Amino acid sequence: TQLLEQSPQFLSIQEGENLTVYCNSSSVFSSLQWYRQEPGEGPVLLVTVVTGGEVKKLKRLTFQFGDARKDSSLHITAAQPGDTGLYLCAGALYNNNDMRFGAGTRLTVKP
Amino acid sequence: KAGVTQTPRYLIKTRGQQVTLSCSPISGHRSVSWYQQTPGQGLQFLFEYFSETQRNKGNFPGRFSGRQFSNSRSEMNVSTLELGDSALYLCASSFQVLNTGELFFGEGSRLTVL
Repeated sequence: TQLLEQSPQFLSIQEGENLTVYCNSSSVFSSLQWYRQEPGEGPVLLVTVVTGGEVKKLKRLTFQFGDARKDSSLHITAAQPGDTGLYLCAGALYNNNDMRFGAGTRLTVKP
Repeated sequence: KAGVTQTPRYLIKTRGQQVTLSCSPISGHRSVSWYQQTPGQGLQFLFEYFSETQRNKGNFPGRFSGRQFSNSRSEMNVSTLELGDSALYLCASSFQVLNTGELFFGEGSRLTVL
């Protein structure tokens, strides 16, 4: 099982719809990052959240870090075809030197 | 500035062979980490190097190894290839150590083992 569980695994929606992607764990993280990966490319960082309860907005994307620092969500408003891609959450564990990734949510936005 | 460069982009090997992948980080970055990405397992951490020292290693067999040179370039090697080693291998560089900063990924090396 993954340390970070992402849901849903796949999401196909129409342009203009809203969506939320979740990243959950039983572990506590010192920080959590969200990346987007497009076919044939490496993941690109979208945001880093470090404080429990923190909310960050990036245009139509809203990221939230859970109060207990165990979970996070990504909400996209009025999705566009350009939002299509694999969304990955990644967490830095306390007292650990590595970064753990979720399996990802593959989003398809149809025009 | 130039991004993270991985070579080769694509390669095909047969079982039992060995392979070496190369990663050139962004200039000034001293941390290089490696990941294996497969459809079933997602992104799995292999290891991280910082200033030529391996800081941490993921749960992979000893067939997977790596090193980092004084110019921060890194290589990873997989010996005695198995079919299950077919994957996209990504490296990422960071100015700080792995779990404290932004990761910049290369485009990956796609390995197919026949």
